[in-house]
Amino acid sequence: EPEVTQTPSHQVTQMGQEVILRCVPISNHLYFYWYRQILGQKVEFLVSFYNNEISEKSEIFDDQFSVERPDGSNFTLKIRSTKLEDSAMYFCASSADHSNEQYFGPGTRLTVT
Amino acid sequence: AQSVTQLDSQVPVFEEAPVELRCNYSSSVSVYLFWYVQYPNQGLQLLLKYLSGSTLVKGINGFEAEFNKSQTSFHLRKPSVHISDTAEYFCAVNDYKLSFGAGTTVTVRA
Repeated sequence: EPEVTQTPSHQVTQMGQEVILRCVPISNHLYFYWYRQILGQKVEFLVSFYNNEISEKSEIFDDQFSVERPDGSNFTLKIRSTKLEDSAMYFCASSADHSNEQYFGPGTRLTVT
Repeated sequence: AQSVTQLDSQVPVFEEAPVELRCNYSSSVSVYLFWYVQYPNQGLQLLLKYLSGSTLVKGINGFEAEFNKSQTSFHLRKPSVHISDTAEYFCAVNDYKLSFGAGTTVTVRA
């Protein structure tokens, strides 16, 4: 069964450093998403991406964040200058259409020290 | 914007007992509703979904949910839980993105 994969599973970085979180969505999906979950809190939407551009973003997704689909398979989330409060689990998801089920990856745990 | 409220933050339950997790959503023209489960230190797995049609939806692992438009609810039920059902459960509504509830922690005891 096809699945969404994410790398790395755990990333530790120092405050102010740039990080890139990588995702490989399901191959025939067209919609891609990033969510985050701060420890003990609910899952929050960050951004959605379709047709090589951002379709929607939340207030959390400020200028420090960017997304890219550099080739036909990868979907990346970059945080330019990490802050302590960026420490969270980041989930990538993909879907075949915007109303149907989103398939989630296993997540990347980002720890900013 | 659509939103979801999960009415119970923690639900302790004994093994083989029934469980119900409550979820209410804000109304909209089209409603697509989901329940996801998150086992400890794992990602999100879809339990079931309501897109249209029958209001009683059956999912994996013996779970089912009922869509009630008049009460704007989508409660999740299982008639007999197992220890392995211990997890965090999230209700979500799809409005071109998923908006999740705060989650319900289910702890099943022997």
